[in-house]
Amino acid sequence: QLQLQESGPGLVKPSETLSLTCTVSGGSISSSSYYWGWIRQPPGKGLEWIGSIYYSGSTYYNPSLKSRVTISVDTSKNQFSLKLSSVTAADTAVYYCARVVAARPYDAFDIWGQGTMVTVSS
Amino acid sequence: QSALTQPPSASGSPGQSVTISCTGTSSDVGGYNYVSWYQQHPGKAPKLMIYEVSKRPSGVPDRFSGSKSGNTASLTVSGLQAEDEADYYCSSYAGSNNLYVFGTGTKVTVL
Repeated sequence: QLQLQESGPGLVKPSETLSLTCTVSGGSISSSSYYWGWIRQPPGKGLEWIGSIYYSGSTYYNPSLKSRVTISVDTSKNQFSLKLSSVTAADTAVYYCARVVAARPYDAFDIWGQGTMVTVSS
Repeated sequence: QSALTQPPSASGSPGQSVTISCTGTSSDVGGYNYVSWYQQHPGKAPKLMIYEVSKRPSGVPDRFSGSKSGNTASLTVSGLQAEDEADYYCSSYAGSNNLYVFGTGTKVTVL
C-alpha cells in the first residue's frame, strides 16, 4: 500500500527558506505512471496547489509562487522535495505531498500524505 | 488565476441528497474534463472522491457522483450519512500556465 510522509522543520523564520521532503513507501517514485505534487492549506482556509514533478525531473509550478518555489526528486531515496524561499507569515500552512492519479500532471491527487504544519515566525 | 466558486455551505438530512456546485470559466471547468472533488474531515488530509468529472476511485461509495454542464461542475451525495459531514473542494485543470486551481470549499452538514 503506497504511503507518503512529509518531513521537515515546523518553524521557519521570515525571509528564510522552507524545506520539506516527501518520502514515498510501498511503491516506486520512478514509476512512469504518476506525477507527484505539493499542496498547502493555510489555517482555516482552502487548498492551494504549489507544484508537481515527474520522476524525470520535469516540473510544473503555480504561477503565483513560481519565483520562490523549487521542487526536486531523488529517485535513489524514493523522495521528492519542496523549497520555498523568502517566506512570510502568509506561507504559514499545512503542507501536503500527494500522488497524481495518472501520468498527466494536471489530473487529480489520489494518495495524500498526512500533512505537516509549517509556521513562519521569528 | 481565481479560485473556483463553491457555495460556503450545504446541508441535508440523513438519507437525503445534497448537490454542491463548482463554477469556473471556459478556461478551466468548461474547457477540460479534468474536474475532481475532495472530501476533507477536520484535521485530516483531503480524500479524492471524484476525478475526471465523474470517475470514482476504488473504495468510494457510489452514493457520490459527479457531473459537468458548461462552466459548472457538480458533486451529488445521495443517501446522506453522518460520516459525509465534511468540507468538500473541487478542482480543475486550468491550462498549461496554471495546471491546477481549487474551489473555495463547501461545508456539508448532515442535519
